[in-house]
Amino acid sequence: DVKVTQSSRYLVKRTGEKVFLECVQDMDHENMFWYRQDPGLGLRLIYFSYDVKMKEKGDIPEGYSVSREKKERFSLILESASTNQTSMYLCASSPPDVATNEKLFFGSGTQLSVL
Amino acid sequence: AQTVTQSQPEMSVQEAETVTLSCTYDTSESNYYLFWYKQPPSRQMILVIRQEAYKQQNATENRFSVNFQKAAKSFSLKISDSQLGDTAMYFCAFMGNNAGNMLTFGGGTRLMVKP
Repeated sequence: DVKVTQSSRYLVKRTGEKVFLECVQDMDHENMFWYRQDPGLGLRLIYFSYDVKMKEKGDIPEGYSVSREKKERFSLILESASTNQTSMYLCASSPPDVATNEKLFFGSGTQLSVL
Repeated sequence: AQTVTQSQPEMSVQEAETVTLSCTYDTSESNYYLFWYKQPPSRQMILVIRQEAYKQQNATENRFSVNFQKAAKSFSLKISDSQLGDTAMYFCAFMGNNAGNMLTFGGGTRLMVKP
């Protein structure tokens, strides 16, 4: 069974802390994505990666960075957490083409609270 | 940039009845893909149905069907014979033909199926 695993289901951090959200997929997918989910706003793309060591900004990259040193792992980094980054974070992965027969596979999300 | 709008933040339906969730989008592209995702309380995103814009025929998956109106840029989801397990957040999503597997999501509709 295919799997995208996010390291934490719930996380509580303090303002100013450096936060790492980890995502691992076991499907050898090239593409990986980080979204944040907020009520009424749906899912918004933060960053994505098409290959190891490659990254592209999504719609809301400010305050975030990412790392992809290995194909199976895509990390989201909050350099200095702020309260407006309290949100649900969803990781996803996909093979090269989701348009026709493939699809995005999502993790179960990390609910991050920044106090 | 594409936008996706779901005008119904919350809906409810009686078990065994039919419900329709609305979605409109804005794009200048002629070929693209549309999706409906379901997110139950477990937070796991599940692909419900997919539609390719160049196909005239509306997609159907068991009790789920869409009404795709390309000229009106409308993509509604109909759930027939609603079941308690259909209770979830539903997200409409758009992907352009050259979007590199990046999806733009609507704000979501919370559906409650009542016994």
